[in-house]
Amino acid sequence: GAVVSQHPSWVICKSGTSVKIECRSLDFQATTMFWYRQFPKQSLMLMATSNEGSKATYEQGVEKDKFLINHASLTLSTLTVTSAHPEDSSFYICSAGGLAGEFGDTQYFGPGTRLTVL
Amino acid sequence: GQQLNQSPQSMFIQEGEDVSMNCTSSSIFNTWLWYKQEPGEGPVLLIALYKAGELTSNGRLTAQFGITRKDSFLNISASIPSDVGIYFCAGRGTQTGKSTFGDGTTLTVKP
Repeated sequence: GAVVSQHPSWVICKSGTSVKIECRSLDFQATTMFWYRQFPKQSLMLMATSNEGSKATYEQGVEKDKFLINHASLTLSTLTVTSAHPEDSSFYICSAGGLAGEFGDTQYFGPGTRLTVL
Repeated sequence: GQQLNQSPQSMFIQEGEDVSMNCTSSSIFNTWLWYKQEPGEGPVLLIALYKAGELTSNGRLTAQFGITRKDSFLNISASIPSDVGIYFCAGRGTQTGKSTFGDGTTLTVKP
């Protein structure tokens, strides 16, 4: 299957700082990437859909000025949590989906990034 | 919006037993996906289903795309301790390219 990587796998930062998380598709081109947030023992909550070369589409209730998404190439999308606060602490997971050809219509996930804001 | 009802919420079984879990929706999906997630990791795709009525196997796992396109089930045969994890179903439409996820089934296997 397709491989999606995330970096860093975990990060601890002080309140008020910004954190950037990278999501890469390693062996395929992803025109669409998704960013999720997951709290302990809960399902995945979609934050935004990122299309290469265009602005991300945010889900209702997600602050686009706080969670900046950039999808500059077909293999890289970044999520920047600006002015992070303790309530932003969570597990952030990206995925690539909507792929044609070899991988069909499916969605592959990265390994996730654990963000802890002190 | 679209919602998926996934059941059961959790299962505690003995090693060697078979497991069945399912997802139902009020909406039609064109694709059903089943994932497994272990603690601290991202979900891993187990099976993808693309046609109504389709039955697909992956080792000890079998999943089916319901005829009505509103439901899917996942079976695990002869469970082993490493099957422990949270299993998520996801339905995909075509208009948005987004997936709708169930709340997950937490599986515990006792040796």
